[in-house]
Order: sequence, then structure tokens, then C-alpha cells
Amino acid sequence: ELKVEQNPLFLSMQEGKNYTIYCNYSTTSDRLYWYRQDPGKSLESLFVLLSNGAVKQEGRLMASLDTKARLSTLHITAAVHDLSATYFCAVDINNTDKLIFGTGTRLQVFP
Amino acid sequence: EAGVTQFPSHSVIEKGQTVTLRCDPISGHDNLYWYRRVMGKEIKFLLHFVKESKQDESGMPNNRFLAERTGGTYSTLKVQPAELEDSGVYFCASGQGGAGEKLFFGSGTQLSVL
Repeated sequence: ELKVEQNPLFLSMQEGKNYTIYCNYSTTSDRLYWYRQDPGKSLESLFVLLSNGAVKQEGRLMASLDTKARLSTLHITAAVHDLSATYFCAVDINNTDKLIFGTGTRLQVFP
Repeated sequence: EAGVTQFPSHSVIEKGQTVTLRCDPISGHDNLYWYRRVMGKEIKFLLHFVKESKQDESGMPNNRFLAERTGGTYSTLKVQPAELEDSGVYFCASGQGGAGEKLFFGSGTQLSVL
């Protein structure tokens, strides 16, 4: 059974600092997604990573994928309060369009 | 452009009652998905429609859950009879299909079974 693990589960960080969220998965996949969720809101798509070595950046967030290591990272640069949310990674195995989600990382950025 | 809308946003029912959740996907999206997050656990896949056909319903917990998508537009998810363990947030998502498609999620229905 495919498992997707994120760490940390909770992250409290100061504004201006950098940090990385990790997403490990247990079986082969070359499709990985990152989503953001604000409380009571929908999941917002951040990145879609489709190949080994893929790197995408949007503002202070950068995501990468290493399919050989079965690892994706979401790097936060110079965090700001507006980034406070829960971040999920999700893996699509065998291109079935069925996403397996990680547990989520709850990020809180404080002044 | 309207996003994925779900109704109701919250539902509180008693064990044994019936509840129907509705999802309106983005217009033109053939793919529609239902997911569920039970308290403290991962978001889990329930099923996938392509137009009005069930492409994959391997995540449906049991036969108390019935999903429909008549006419390939909106979808309903009915739970009958509801049990305590059905409580959670039910998300709907839609997409156009294709490799690495971007899914658009609704804000979910928070279901509480008492």
C-alpha cells in the first residue's frame, strides 16, 4: 500500500526565516502535487511536478521532486505571515488520477 | 469563473439519518472526484467520475455510500444510514483530465454525525 509521509506535521517559524517541508512516498510515482489549505477553505493547487528533477518556484515557495529517492521538498524562503496555512503533498500512482495525500504540515509564521 | 462549489458547507445529523452532499464542478470539467478527511487523518480518495460514469470507486467505504452524477454535471454523495465514523470533511474536486492535470477543490462539507 502506498504511503505518503510529510514532516514536520507542525511548523512554527519566525518571519524572514527559511525552512523545508519534506514529503516521502513509498512506491514509484512521477506525479506529485503540492496543495495549500487555509482554514475552512478549499485546497489550492500550488505545484504539479511531473518528472525526476522537476523544480518549480512561485514567490517564496519552491518545490522539487526526486523520483529516485521518492522525495519531494517544499522550500520556504524568507517566510511571511501570509504563508500560514496547511500544506499537503499528494502522489498519483500509476497515473490513475487517484491522489494519495500526506498528512499535511500545519505552518504558522509569527512576527 | 466560478470554482467548485459544495453544498451544504456544514451538516449535523443523528446516527441513522440520511444526508446528501452536492458538488457542482467547474463547467466543462469531465472529471469529478470525491475525497474525505476524517478527523486527524489523511485526505482519502473515495471515487472518480468521468462525465456520468464511475471510473474508479475503490475508495468508497461501504454500501451505505452512494454517489451519482446524472447527466455528467453535478454530483451527489448520499450516506444512508449515517454512522458516527462517517463524520469528517468531504471534498469534491474537478479537472479537465490529461497528464498532470490540475485539480480544483471545493471548500468541502463538514459532516458531523451525532
